[in-house]
Amino acid sequence: DAGVIQSPRHEVTEMGQEVTLRCKPISGHNSLFWYRQTMMRGLELLIYFNNNVPIDDSGMPEDRFSAKMPNASFSTLKIQPSEPRDSAVYFCASIHKGKANEKLFFGSGTQLSVL
Amino acid sequence: AQSVAQPEDQVNVAEGNPLTVKCTYSVSGNPYLFWYVQYPNRGLQFLLKYITGDNLVKGSYGFEAEFNKSQTSFHLKKPSALVSDSALYFCAVIPPDSNYQLIWGAGTKLIIKP
Repeated sequence: DAGVIQSPRHEVTEMGQEVTLRCKPISGHNSLFWYRQTMMRGLELLIYFNNNVPIDDSGMPEDRFSAKMPNASFSTLKIQPSEPRDSAVYFCASIHKGKANEKLFFGSGTQLSVL
Repeated sequence: AQSVAQPEDQVNVAEGNPLTVKCTYSVSGNPYLFWYVQYPNRGLQFLLKYITGDNLVKGSYGFEAEFNKSQTSFHLKKPSALVSDSALYFCAVIPPDSNYQLIWGAGTKLIIKP
């Protein structure tokens, strides 16, 4: 398996533009997490899905952020409109809950810069 | 509130010396405990975990961690550090019945000097 795949690796955009980050979890995994990492706040959980259903989105900072998981193999995190303070690395991670040796696998992240 | 503490922002060790990265937690019950490593411009990678059983857990790249229930600690250790071990290390816990909601430490930057 290729692991958790995120795209794009880097995104530079201007304030006010819409940004869409994409994630393909590992095949067979039934839970997916979106994290944001910054120097100031460290690693923050934004939202997670179980079986494509959002379970806890309390970490989503504002209404400008939204996430979807239309099927088991794809998820998006959208920021509209984007602001400079959204600049961070966004990670997607997946896991198969219920397996004996479960552990969280991370993608390589999307480095977002909002100018 | 449940939390994970990594008291050192940065740890400096000479190559070949033993290293320890500290982690303590404040969680009720018997949590699952994890260590992850993050190399520059990369996602987090799983190192090791403690679920139950032997308090000394061995993981990837020669790392190990010791679970100490009385001290609520899960320190990461390696007998002989390599320059390539330089990275950011995260401790995380899953409280019981938390639906796999990990609680993360702030991370410790490990620098191994040749």
